[in-house]
Amino acid sequence: SQQGEEDPQALSIQEGENATMNCSYKTSINNLQWYRQNSGRGLVHLILIRSNEREKHSGRLRVTLDTSKKSSSLLITASRAADTASYFCATDASGSARQLTFGSGTQLTVLP
Amino acid sequence: GAGVSQSPSNKVTEKGKDVELRCDPISGHTALYWYRQSLGQGLEFLIYFQGNSAPDKSGLPSDRFSAERTGGSVSTLTIQRTQQEDSAVYLCASSPLPTNTEAFFGQGTRLTVV
Repeated sequence: SQQGEEDPQALSIQEGENATMNCSYKTSINNLQWYRQNSGRGLVHLILIRSNEREKHSGRLRVTLDTSKKSSSLLITASRAADTASYFCATDASGSARQLTFGSGTQLTVLP
Repeated sequence: GAGVSQSPSNKVTEKGKDVELRCDPISGHTALYWYRQSLGQGLEFLIYFQGNSAPDKSGLPSDRFSAERTGGSVSTLTIQRTQQEDSAVYLCASSPLPTNTEAFFGQGTRLTVV
């Protein structure tokens, strides 16, 4: 089963609007990462937030992490048509098994 | 090369045949992952290699699946007696450290079993 679950599964917005995607997970984590995937091929890393951080920014991206609720959100501000892609969260779980577990993803469509 | 390289990009095989998928990680990366992604779905973890440690094979769906990593570098994922449900994109990623760092993905191998 997936460690992370994104919601919504699909999101459609107009160019210039903000897009917010959420991720929930089940176990304790070392860090949480967000990735982007175009056209069902390789994923590209966007941002990493550590378990002791609450918020992180990178350009138009803002990520928050609430470890008490086991949830994270990714905000893309001033969206562009080129932001259209699938977005996945991935958790690096605490413990000795250092593997990234991915959620099911949010398909974002930004309409020009 | 500069990134993670996977070959072949696409593979069509007949049901019952064996296939080998190859992954060349970024030089110096000690961690290597294999994932499988069915159409429109998330990534399903298959196997994880970290340095000289025993690999985490907990995600392999059946004993038809196996993987090895030679010399801590190139990895091959082998699927024996392929079935139609094995059709998916197989993604490889490498990471310079075992934790707290990003994974770099290859472009994947699209496997179609007919």
